[in-house]
Amino acid sequence: AQSVTQPDIHITVSEGASLELRCNYSYGATPYLFWYVQSPGQGLQLLLKYFSGDTLVQGIKGFEAEFKRSQSSFNLRKPSVHWSDAAEYFCAVEKGSNYQLIWGAGTKLIIKP
Amino acid sequence: DGGITQSPKYLFRKEGQNVTLSCEQNLNHDAMYWYRQDPGQGLRLIYYSQIVNDFQKGDIAEGYSVSREKKESFPLTVTSAQKNPTAFYLCASTTGDGNYGYTFGSGTRLTVV
Repeated sequence: AQSVTQPDIHITVSEGASLELRCNYSYGATPYLFWYVQSPGQGLQLLLKYFSGDTLVQGIKGFEAEFKRSQSSFNLRKPSVHWSDAAEYFCAVEKGSNYQLIWGAGTKLIIKP
Repeated sequence: DGGITQSPKYLFRKEGQNVTLSCEQNLNHDAMYWYRQDPGQGLRLIYYSQIVNDFQKGDIAEGYSVSREKKESFPLTVTSAQKNPTAFYLCASTTGDGNYGYTFGSGTRLTVV
């Protein structure tokens, strides 16, 4: 069965430092992969997605993610975080039918001033 | 601008009451979804619909009901059979044409009083 694991429940990063959020998936075929961001009390916003082709994908707000098939990973990165990046980040994989997504449990990003 | 509107933003339910959460989209999306979000548990799928007058149970459908009489609308009723309804509810939609990006509403926070 497909699954998504985000190993880190919380991550604390200093403002201006680089960021990497981890996502590992379990899926038999080439996956469709997504990262979403959720600000407190709000809905989710799509940051970026991977379907095929170039394994390094660029998203909004300066985020990027790299698909590594050999490691079953799709980690999210940002070179320099801003206080406004404090939010919860969700990784998801498309289930293969009905456009359903399987979600990770989320990683809460805390920014230190 | 197109988007998804969820209402109300906050809802209070007394024990034994049914309540209905509204979800309306003007994106011309075919597929719509209802998720429940509890702290530390990510998103759990309640119901989804791919076309008008058809919907399917998700992972946690017990105690909930939906209808899809119009393409734009996918209301969720939380019935008295749902024993622990206090949560944040999110509605989402997607085109189903291979784009696979979900658009989310801003959510409804339901509290039992």
